[in-house]
Amino acid sequence: AQSVSQHNHHVILSEAASLELGCNYSYGGTVNLFWYVQYPGQHLQLLLKYFSGDPLVKGIKGFEAEFIKSKFSFNLRKPSVQWSDTAEYFCAVKKAAGNKLTFGGGTRVLVKP
Amino acid sequence: DVKVTQSSRYLVKRTGEKVFLECVQDMDHENMFWYRQDPGLGLRLIYFSYDVKMKEKGDIPEGYSVSREKKERFSLILESASTNQTSMYLCASSPASGPSTDTQYFGPGTRLTVL
Repeated sequence: AQSVSQHNHHVILSEAASLELGCNYSYGGTVNLFWYVQYPGQHLQLLLKYFSGDPLVKGIKGFEAEFIKSKFSFNLRKPSVQWSDTAEYFCAVKKAAGNKLTFGGGTRVLVKP
Repeated sequence: DVKVTQSSRYLVKRTGEKVFLECVQDMDHENMFWYRQDPGLGLRLIYFSYDVKMKEKGDIPEGYSVSREKKERFSLILESASTNQTSMYLCASSPASGPSTDTQYFGPGTRLTVL
């Protein structure tokens, strides 16, 4: 069965710092990759996704992620975070031919003003 | 905007009770999903459905069942609630075709406590 690992459970940083969240998955075939975000008290929502093409994907709110196939990774980055980026971030992977998403354990990010 | 609604935000039940969690989506999506969310474990798929009356087990179906009698509604049933089913339950839907294929849209969640 495929699995998804997020390296950090908690990240604390100050405003304007750069953010990088790691995500690795175990499946060797073709995959679709996602980052979801859950702001405090809000629904889980899509941040960005990768299906094919340019491995550097840009999402909402200045986030981007890079798919590195050889490393089975899909790391999320933001060059300069804001207090409003405080949230829990989830990486998810789907086999290209399947229906099921497999989520990582999530990373709680706290941005101090 | 896609809207996925869940019948309750908070629910408290007793061990052994039968519990129904309801989910409704208004975008005519074919696929619907039930997850539970626990700290450090992320979201784990319980069941999903890709059509009316169709269902497939996810990764942790034990102790749960589902019902999909209408396209817009997907119910999660705990036949006999147990304390280890205390969790946040999230419903999601996604279209089977089009530009948003495979993008799942989530409801607000139901926080279930089983005493």
